Formats: sequence, structure tokens, C-alpha cells
Amino acid sequence: GNSVTQMEGPVTLSEEAFLTINCTYTATGYPSLFWYVQYPGEGLQLLLKATKADDKGSNKGFEATYRKETTSFHLEKGSVQVSDSAVYFCALSSNTGRRALTFGSGTRLQVQP
Amino acid sequence: SAVISQKPSRDICQRGTSLTIQCQVDSQVTMMFWYRQQPGQSLTLIATANQGSEATYESGFVIDKFPISRPNLTFSTLTVSNMSPEDSSIYLCSVGGTSELGEQFFGPGTRLTVL
Repeated sequence: GNSVTQMEGPVTLSEEAFLTINCTYTATGYPSLFWYVQYPGEGLQLLLKATKADDKGSNKGFEATYRKETTSFHLEKGSVQVSDSAVYFCALSSNTGRRALTFGSGTRLQVQP
Repeated sequence: SAVISQKPSRDICQRGTSLTIQCQVDSQVTMMFWYRQQPGQSLTLIATANQGSEATYESGFVIDKFPISRPNLTFSTLTVSNMSPEDSSIYLCSVGGTSELGEQFFGPGTRLTVL
């Protein structure tokens, strides 16, 4: 079946530091890949997405590239802000059937001023 | 993206009772899903809510415990039955996007605490 593995958190960074959150996946076929963000006390928001190999999703300074050869979709940001403190979830959707999302375990990011 | 609301936003319930959570979408959608997020954990799919037919449940979730209704294309309910403290979680509904890319958009969630 499908699965998503994320790096363990929490990740603690100083403001303006570079961020990488690793995500690898196992899936049959060609899934779509997503990063969702959950700010404290809020629901889940779609941050970015990519649907085929070498696609780069980007939003709010965050980027992730769909790497089929390494089955990875690592999240990066060049300069984090305190407001980026949240839990980040990597997820995939099979492109057949019910298209339910399979989530990683989530990575908590804390950015200190 | 669709605007999704859930009621109640939070509740504290006694064990053995049931709670029905409502999910309302501002546009007609084909795919609706219900997820559970246990404290400090990731999201786990409970079931797909199908309009006009019985919900499709994931392994480990059964209709007697989590009955789901989907009377039309904008509304669904999830009932958590005969609750125990282990049911304390955030319950989220989601809807599929209009593209074929598989993204989903989530409601704000219902935070349930069972005493």
C-alpha cells in the first residue's frame, strides 16, 4: 500500500535560517504529492503540490520538487520566519480509485526570533 | 477552493454517549472524506462519504462506531457512537478539489474530548 515517511521533529531553527523537511514515499504508479501546514489551533491548509516527476510546487517561499528517482518530496525554505512555526505534513494521493490522502507523521517546526 | 464549516468546533462528552459532527460545504462536491487526528498524531482516514450510498470505511473503522450520512452533495455528518476516552481526537472533514490532481481541502475540525 501507499506510505509516507517524514523526518522526526521537532525542528528548531532561528529566524532567517534555511529549512529542509525530508519526505519520502512509497506508492504504486504516479501519485500526486502535497505539503499541508497546520498552524497552532487551526485546521489543515494546502501549502503546495506537485503532480508529476520533476514538478516543483511553491508557495509562500516554500518549495518542494517531485523526485521520482529517489521517491522524495522534500520541503525547503530559504529563510524561515517566526510565523512559519507550525506542523508540516507530507501527503500523497493515488491517481486512481478513491484518491484518499495518505499522510506522513508530521514535523513540528519551531522558529525562534 | 470550497469553504468548509464544521459544527461543533469542540465538545466535551461523557463516555458512553454519542456525538454527531456536521460538515457543510458552500458548493457541490463529489468526494467528501472524514479523518481523525489523535493528539499529537497524523491524520488517519476514517471513511469516504458517498452521496446516496453507504460510506466506504477504512480498515479498523466500522459503521456501528462511526455512522456517516451524506444526504446531498454539500453536507455530511459523522457520528462517534458509544464514546470512550480513546475517541478523544480532532475529527476533520475534507472535500476533493475540482481538478484531477487529488488535492483535498479541509474543514476547521471538531475537537472532541471524552471524559
